[in-house]
Amino acid sequence: QVQLVQSGPEVRKPGTSVKVSCKASGFIVPNSAVQWVRQARGHRLEWLGYIVVDSGNTNFAPKFRERVTFTRDMSTNTAYMELGSLESEDTAVYYCATEGTTPFDYWGQGTLVTVSS
Amino acid sequence: DIQLTQSPSFLSASIGDTITIICRASQGVSSYLAWYQQKPGKAPNLLIYGASILQSGVPSRFSGTGSGTEFTLTISSLQPEDFATYFCQQLNSYPWTFGQGTKVEIK
Repeated sequence: QVQLVQSGPEVRKPGTSVKVSCKASGFIVPNSAVQWVRQARGHRLEWLGYIVVDSGNTNFAPKFRERVTFTRDMSTNTAYMELGSLESEDTAVYYCATEGTTPFDYWGQGTLVTVSS
Repeated sequence: DIQLTQSPSFLSASIGDTITIICRASQGVSSYLAWYQQKPGKAPNLLIYGASILQSGVPSRFSGTGSGTEFTLTISSLQPEDFATYFCQQLNSYPWTFGQGTKVEIK
């Protein structure tokens, strides 16, 4: 079993950036990836991409490639998602998820990011 | 990007009913299709992957079928805890995409 605990809610102004953390505990599958997904109110879930924990390799959804960064700190089993050039449309709950049998077996509790002037 | 369209978007049913949700893909996704349940304020919970493989711990009243472009999620004998929103997701090609969701409410 893996538990993912995310950082708390954030409020940002348009044009700024936000960094969300996702700390893992429990049995972590070797060479697994941490996925990032968001859900804006009234919209479908949207996949942002992933980072492979061991190698640091990343894969981004084209829509976010220019302004999202994934990093990880292996010493603390924590992954990070930083989204820049924020717009009001980026207001959403951001989730991390990771692998068991599939890439999305375990999910964090979600982090609400509000972008407002 | 592969578009996933679920039908219906909203479903009203009674406890004990059997319901079916359809997910159609804009192009073939083989069997790389997953289903999730989400309750308000909670993260999605994986129910089925590989179109028909039940995730460990998920009740057997949930089942999935399909391949290519058309998939179904069936819930037999609806229980009170099954009233939630259900999403499909394709993992055949990047970017991975989700359906718009089907909200199942109590009649």
